[in-house]
Amino acid sequence: DSGVTQTPKHLITATGQRVTLRCSPRSGDLSVYWYQQSLDQGLQFLIQYYNGEERAKGNILERFSAQQFPDLHSELNLSSLELGDSALYFCASSVTIGPTGELFFGEGSRLTVL
Amino acid sequence: GENVEQHPSTLSVQEGDSAVIKCTYSDSASNYFPWYKQELGKGPQLIIDIRSNVGEKKDQRIAVTLNKTAKHFSLHITETQPEDSAVYFCAARLLTGNQFYFGTGTSLTVIP
Repeated sequence: DSGVTQTPKHLITATGQRVTLRCSPRSGDLSVYWYQQSLDQGLQFLIQYYNGEERAKGNILERFSAQQFPDLHSELNLSSLELGDSALYFCASSVTIGPTGELFFGEGSRLTVL
Repeated sequence: GENVEQHPSTLSVQEGDSAVIKCTYSDSASNYFPWYKQELGKGPQLIIDIRSNVGEKKDQRIAVTLNKTAKHFSLHITETQPEDSAVYFCAARLLTGNQFYFGTGTSLTVIP
């Protein structure tokens, strides 16, 4: 158990809908990362927050947004869903924002868009 | 940004044999190279890492080597066991950056 909690574990929805994925980082970790893992794809970095502020942005679509709350949990909002958004979405946390520090991953939220 | 390439994408070995996974990176400013193991239905988990001031690191049956000049690093698993079957990801992180750049993963199957 990494200590990172993601909900829901599975989510099935229709095209055009909006969903929210939730992540609780490990106790004490200030940095939260979101990754997308599609079938046969690696881990695509979406966005990172540190202590409530956005710190880095990857290949995140404009239809997607995220935030980190004062209690450090984070939410990833996916809107106007398309079939291609079906993927496993991982949240990871780490203690620091600097160039070192292990990433601890949650077990992911599997999104299926029908 | 950094670009990490990983090979092979799939690897099958007999139990007891060694497995080697190779990664290359593009940005010489990268200084931290972790390896993650992802078992079925779970999130990736760090198994070993190496920093740019070290050429090799071992932890029991796994080892990582780094060649900064050639910008490549490798994961070596010796005496493979069925429980080593998983997807392995390499990653690189820039000295000044916040992002981890991941390879596309290697699906390792250890045949009993």
